[in-house]
Amino acid sequence: DGGITQSPKYLFRKEGQNVTLSCEQNLNHDAMYWYRQDPGQGLRLIYYSQIVNDFQKGDIAEGYSVSREKKESFPLTVTSAQKNPTAFYLCASSIGTGAQGAFFGQGTRLTVV
Amino acid sequence: SQQGEEDPQALSIQEGENATMNCSYKTSINNLQWYRQNSGRGLVHLILIRSNEREKHSGRLRVTLDTSKKSSSLLITASRAADTASYFCATEENDYKLSFGAGTTVTVRA
Repeated sequence: DGGITQSPKYLFRKEGQNVTLSCEQNLNHDAMYWYRQDPGQGLRLIYYSQIVNDFQKGDIAEGYSVSREKKESFPLTVTSAQKNPTAFYLCASSIGTGAQGAFFGQGTRLTVV
Repeated sequence: SQQGEEDPQALSIQEGENATMNCSYKTSINNLQWYRQNSGRGLVHLILIRSNEREKHSGRLRVTLDTSKKSSSLLITASRAADTASYFCATEENDYKLSFGAGTTVTVRA
């Protein structure tokens, strides 16, 4: 069953702690993306990766870090430098050739307590 | 600021009516895509239109693209209650960067 999986669904973090959100896809997609969505807002691009071992900053990369060591995996770390991390985080993947759209995970809701 | 801006921000229509929403963007693009999001869920891809295409249809969806005006529209015909959702346009640039707008919230009244 092909798809893209984010875990966990809900995550609570204490202020000052780093936390890593998982994103795994078995669609053999080259491109992967991380977005942040605040209540009632659109999606803002954090990082994207065109291919394994390469990634680019999006529009709001400050306070976040990523790695792309495997084609299937694109974990996002929310660091303590991110001042307002409470949000809904969405991961996506695509073939990357523009031939079809992206597939999204079900999201991780991160709350800082 | 975001690459795409949707208009209107919110739309309320009666079941059976058509819903039209617009998207404007700023940079050169490879293609433009429309997605749908139900509350608290991931996005679902609806339709993709390439930069050299002007119109595309898929079921009850019709998308237009005007690259000279950097704008696109999504028409949903004969709307149903199940079409209630948020709709987003997204632009893909040459380096695979995929940027989204702020979305249009559509409510279909029974």
